[in-house]
Amino acid sequence: AQSVTQPDARVTVSEGASLQLRCKYSYSGTPYLFWYVQYPRQGLQLLLKYYSGDPVVQGVNGFEAEFIKSNSSFHLRKASVHWSDSAVYFCAVSAGGDNSKLIWGLGTSLVVNP
Amino acid sequence: ETAVFQTPNYHVTQVGNEVSFNCKQTLGHDTMYWYKQDSKKLLKIMFSYNNKQLIVNETVPRRFSPQSSDKAHLNLRIKSVEPEDSAVYLCASSFRGNTLYFGEGSRLIVV
Repeated sequence: AQSVTQPDARVTVSEGASLQLRCKYSYSGTPYLFWYVQYPRQGLQLLLKYYSGDPVVQGVNGFEAEFIKSNSSFHLRKASVHWSDSAVYFCAVSAGGDNSKLIWGLGTSLVVNP
Repeated sequence: ETAVFQTPNYHVTQVGNEVSFNCKQTLGHDTMYWYKQDSKKLLKIMFSYNNKQLIVNETVPRRFSPQSSDKAHLNLRIKSVEPEDSAVYLCASSFRGNTLYFGEGSRLIVV
């Protein structure tokens, strides 16, 4: 079955520290991969997406993610977090970028301590 | 900047009542969606509308129905709510299947 796993429900880091949020997927075809962020009392916003090409993709606010096909992973990274990065981060996968077929992870709640 | 507007943001109601959530997008997008986000944060698509045509209708209970007057509006009606309908309902839109833009959500509590 196709699925997305975010193994860490909650991650706590100190401001200025580096960050990695893990995402692993199970998908039979060519995956289109996404990271969305949900700030408190706001809707989800796209951070970055990967369709093809360079496996390291850059997103907004200094985030990047690396597609590792051999590991079925698409981890999100940031070199130095800010307290305003505190939010819930969702990884998602779809076939051909079809939004109606997006499969979502359960999200990772990031808490950045000042 | 919010461009997908949902009302109400919060609603408490009793089992058996009817509830409607409204959604409007000002982005000129051609497709709108409704998602259900449960207490574990799991997102599941319920419906999507493309140019006033329903193109996805997942196996949601029949008491749920989408209503669209034009491509900028997609409302969600629940005919007779049940306790398991308690959730956050998220409206989203996109243009030609590209990036999803979400509203802030409508939280439903059924007592």
